Amino acid sequence: NAGVTQTPKFRILKIGQSMTLQCAQDMNHNYMYWYRQDPGMGLKLIYYSVGAGITDKGEVPNGYNVSRSTTEDFPLRLELAAPSQTSVYFCASRVWGLNEQFFGPGTRLTVL
Amino acid sequence: DAKTTQPPSMDCAEGRAANLPCNHSTISGNEYVYWYRQIHSQGPQYIIHGLKNNETNEMASLIITEDRKSSTLILPHATLRDTAVYYCIVTLEGTGGFKTIFGAGTRLFVKA
Repeated sequence: NAGVTQTPKFRILKIGQSMTLQCAQDMNHNYMYWYRQDPGMGLKLIYYSVGAGITDKGEVPNGYNVSRSTTEDFPLRLELAAPSQTSVYFCASRVWGLNEQFFGPGTRLTVL
Repeated sequence: DAKTTQPPSMDCAEGRAANLPCNHSTISGNEYVYWYRQIHSQGPQYIIHGLKNNETNEMASLIITEDRKSSTLILPHATLRDTAVYYCIVTLEGTGGFKTIFGAGTRLFVKA
């Protein structure tokens, strides 16, 4: 198993540009999550999904969108990038019934 | 989910036990205590979890007080590689609109 994979590893965006952060898992996990982590801070939940076709907002959803068309994939979309979205983004997944989350390696995003 | 309080940082000598405390005074009867750690800029890694009883695995031990208002994560023989940020999380187990809230955690420095 590859576990949770994220692409790209690094990205620099200009203000106003858009991009999609990719996340995939091959563990057949129902739940998937997107977090952001600002320097020196804990993780903040952006969006989560409890299964294909079902998504919900977390603590800091503004400026982001998600979709979950398959169990494996959970892309995060930034429509109009802003400097405040400079952060490290982590995707995670877990199986129904257990709260142990498996995290991807992260995407480091800089918006200039 | 109940809120947790952890010291911002701790030091530990290599080879000694590291005891990381966590207060969760508003924990409800069906909420579990989970511990994760984050080494450098990697994604968080699950360590251990428990409900009422003390738990031990190959990585650590978790001691939960009888009133469940606090817990301690014990790394029995800390190594330099255990230097990381440790997160204590209290959350419901199982189905539903589950969300995990990561606070700032405790930054553990293991020194030679």
